[in-house]
Amino acid sequence: EIVLTQSPGTLSLSPGERATLSCRASQTVRSNYLAWHQRKPGQAPRLLIYGASRRATGIPDRFSGSGSGTDFTLTISRLEPEDFAVYYCQQYGGSPWTFGQGTKVEIK
Amino acid sequence: QVQLQQWGAGLLKPSETLSLTCGVYGGTLSGYYWSWIRQPPGKGLEWIGEVNHSGSTTYNPSLNSRVTISADTSKNQFSLKLSSVTAADTAVYYCARLTFGGDVGAYWGQGTLVTVST
Repeated sequence: EIVLTQSPGTLSLSPGERATLSCRASQTVRSNYLAWHQRKPGQAPRLLIYGASRRATGIPDRFSGSGSGTDFTLTISRLEPEDFAVYYCQQYGGSPWTFGQGTKVEIK
Repeated sequence: QVQLQQWGAGLLKPSETLSLTCGVYGGTLSGYYWSWIRQPPGKGLEWIGEVNHSGSTTYNPSLNSRVTISADTSKNQFSLKLSSVTAADTAVYYCARLTFGGDVGAYWGQGTLVTVST
């Protein structure tokens, strides 16, 4: 099983600032099959990024994903008020699919 | 627009069987894999397993011996059964379609809090 470790656990930033979230895998993620999801309280997760760097339909271009192998990054170029949420990485290159523990992006 | 609506018992006693069903609306089971995912209180997301329209399944080995996921194409729904539950199975359970190739998209049910308690 691939273990995904996200850092930091919490990121305290102000609107307009840049957010950089990290996701490290315990082994190589096949074909960079790595996704990022956004989760707000009381809502189901929303798919942001798949294939490490491809934005899902309707996702603003301030969200970008990068990385390969075992190290992946989600960057939010300029935080909007609606971006404060919990972000999860997920790998789907190996079975079972696994998720990271999440990074909470909170308002400073 | 695909929508998932789930239902099932929210309170169980230890050793009972958890049973949840997810209805698929605005789409068909065919051509996709359908997952169950859970989130225990204060913990991360855990993928339980998946099924396709023909009944082919893959389970998380951590739950493999206790889980059954099935699909009913006549009703356009799929189900989760988890046997011999304990307090450790207390979680919010989600049905979902997570597709990362071709028709990429993520659709989730509203979630069901299942509590296991004496």
